[in-house]
Amino acid sequence: GQQVMQIPQYQHVQEGEDFTTYCNSSTTLSNIQWYKQRPGGHPVFLIQLVKSGEVKKQKRLTFQFGEAKKNSSLHITATQTTDVGTYFCATGMGNQGGKLIFGQGTELSVKP
Amino acid sequence: EADIYQTPRYLVIGTGKKITLECSQTMGHDKMYWYQQDPGMELHLIHYSYGVNSTEKGDLSSESTVSRIRTEHFPLTLESARPSHTSQYLCASSSKTYEQYFGPGTRLTVT
Repeated sequence: GQQVMQIPQYQHVQEGEDFTTYCNSSTTLSNIQWYKQRPGGHPVFLIQLVKSGEVKKQKRLTFQFGEAKKNSSLHITATQTTDVGTYFCATGMGNQGGKLIFGQGTELSVKP
Repeated sequence: EADIYQTPRYLVIGTGKKITLECSQTMGHDKMYWYQQDPGMELHLIHYSYGVNSTEKGDLSSESTVSRIRTEHFPLTLESARPSHTSQYLCASSSKTYEQYFGPGTRLTVT
């Protein structure tokens, strides 16, 4: 079945450094969503990308959808301690009415 | 912030007990989901519903059952809890544009 592979599994950065997590698939994706889960919390929707080559920004966060729609990335510029958490990508299963396949997540820790 | 609620937030229960985890949303979403997530791990879909009287099993086999009698309510029941059921259970609902809104979760421990 459809899968999305997310790398890296863990990333430790010094506050102020940049961070990127990648989401890859062997098949063309209809869309990609990104979620953030704070430690002890629940996933919170960040953004959805649907168009080939799409780039969206939210303050220090930049989201990209690859031209072939088989990969996506989330880049955080100048990390802050509030960025700590696990970032998940997810893709909708086409015509299966809203079901999502989640990646394994990238856990980000930020050292002050 | 989306309006989706789960109770209880924490539950410690003995083996063999029957439990029901409650999930309610006030957004009028047709689609609702139950996920199981172990600490630091990915989310696994165990049940979903497209609307009233519609329920399907997810990708991860689960001994739990669900019901959807009202749009806003999607409870999950374990008939006989076992230690292997210890996990976090997350309920979510989605709009027509498919982004999912998660409840705060129930952390279940079966002793």
